[in-house]
Amino acid sequence: AQSVTQLDSQVPVFEEAPVELRCNYSSSVSVYLFWYVQYPNQGLQLLLKYLSGSTLVKGINGFEAEFNKSQTSFHLRKPSVHISDTAEYFCAVRGFAGGTSYGKLTFGQGTILTVHP
Amino acid sequence: KAGVTQTPRYLIKTRGQQVTLSCSPISGHRSVSWYQQTPGQGLQFLFEYFSETQRNKGNFPGRFSGRQFSNSRSEMNVSTLELGDSALYLCASALGGNYGYTFGSGTRLTVV
Repeated sequence: AQSVTQLDSQVPVFEEAPVELRCNYSSSVSVYLFWYVQYPNQGLQLLLKYLSGSTLVKGINGFEAEFNKSQTSFHLRKPSVHISDTAEYFCAVRGFAGGTSYGKLTFGQGTILTVHP
Repeated sequence: KAGVTQTPRYLIKTRGQQVTLSCSPISGHRSVSWYQQTPGQGLQFLFEYFSETQRNKGNFPGRFSGRQFSNSRSEMNVSTLELGDSALYLCASALGGNYGYTFGSGTRLTVV
C-alpha cells in the first residue's frame, strides 16, 4: 500500500515569485510519481511524471519536480509563477512490484495555489 | 486526437435511484480508472480496468460497480443512491500502468 501527503493545503504567492509545493509519499514497493493540476470545473491535467532515471523531471508550463528517494519526497517547483497558474495541484503515487503488477494511483489531498498580482 | 469523454456532464438523481455513468477513453488506451472527488474526501479511487479485467478496486460499498467493454469503453453504476454519493466522478485512461493518466472533465452527480 502507498500513501501521499501534501504538506500545504494552501499556498499564496505573488506573481513572478518562485513557488514550491511539497509532497511526501510512503510505499513498501518501488513507485512512479506524478503531479496533476486541476482548474475549476475541469478534470485533472498531467503536469509531469517520474518513472525512472534522472531525478529532476521537467513538465509543462515551466514546472519541474525533483525525486528524492532518501527523503521520500517529490516537490513541485516553478521559478516564476503567473496568475494563470492559480489552480489546485495534486501529487500522486503508483506502486509497482515488477512486471505488470501495479497498484492503484493514489492522490494527495491537494494544494490550492493562489497567485496574487 | 480526442480526449477522454465522459457522459453525461451533469446529472441530478433522487435518493434510492440508480445511475450509470459512461467513459470513452482515448483511442488505443486499454486502462481505465474511476475516481470520486468530493471537497471533504478529495480524490478517492473506485476501480481500474485493463482489457476488460478489473485490476484494482477501492474501498467503496458494493453499490458501486463498473465494467469495461471490448472497445475499452467503461461504465460505472451506482445503485440505491444516497445523498453522500453526490460528487464529481472522474474517469481516466492510459496506455498502461507506467503511463500517466489522462482525465476526462467528469460527471457531476447530485443526489437530492
